[in-house]
Amino acid sequence: EIVLTQSPATLSLSPGERATLSCRASQSVSSYLAWYQQKPGQAPRLLIYDASNRATGIPARFSGSGSGTDFTLTISSLEPEDFAVYYCQQRSNWPLWPMYTFGQGTKLEIK
Amino acid sequence: QLQLQESGSGLVKPSQTLSLTCAVSGGSISSGGYSWSWIRQPPGKGLEWIGYIYHSGSTYYNPSLKSRVTISVDRSKNQFSLKLSSVTAADTAVYYCAASVTAKNWFDPWGQGTLVTVSS
Repeated sequence: EIVLTQSPATLSLSPGERATLSCRASQSVSSYLAWYQQKPGQAPRLLIYDASNRATGIPARFSGSGSGTDFTLTISSLEPEDFAVYYCQQRSNWPLWPMYTFGQGTKLEIK
Repeated sequence: QLQLQESGSGLVKPSQTLSLTCAVSGGSISSGGYSWSWIRQPPGKGLEWIGYIYHSGSTYYNPSLKSRVTISVDRSKNQFSLKLSSVTAADTAVYYCAASVTAKNWFDPWGQGTLVTVSS
């Protein structure tokens, strides 16, 4: 099973600042990595798919990068509505069928 | 636009079977364009993929839950279902249904989630 490790666990920033969230895979996932945003009481919302593609309706301040084992979600200038928990997710063929795993999440909080 | 909605019992006794249904609207579950997943989230914790089903009926489960999980499709009602047997308090979670475009690697859209509590 591929393990995704997100860092930091909590990130304290102010509106207008730049946020950089990391996701590291225990083995290569190529570019098969997605990012989600989750606010309290809501379902996760897809932000980024295939490492760097913004989902429909996602603002341009969200960007994703990376391949292999190291990935980054960047929010260029934080808006008040961006403070939430962020998860990365991958799909692998383990060992004979698809298997999905999520990182443990990064909480982005207002400083 | 595809939309998903979970329903089912919110309280299940230990050792019994949890049963949930996900109603699909805005598209046909039989069309072959999607796989249909269940994902759960214990209170205050992260996300765990439970398994998914194709329109054909083929299923794939998380190995950690495989012995207790059954996912099925009801094409006549355009919905799919989750059964989790022999539940314990550790199965208390918000359960989400979600869709993935066939051969793609992400989940979108998601249902709003339903809380299932395992307690006597």
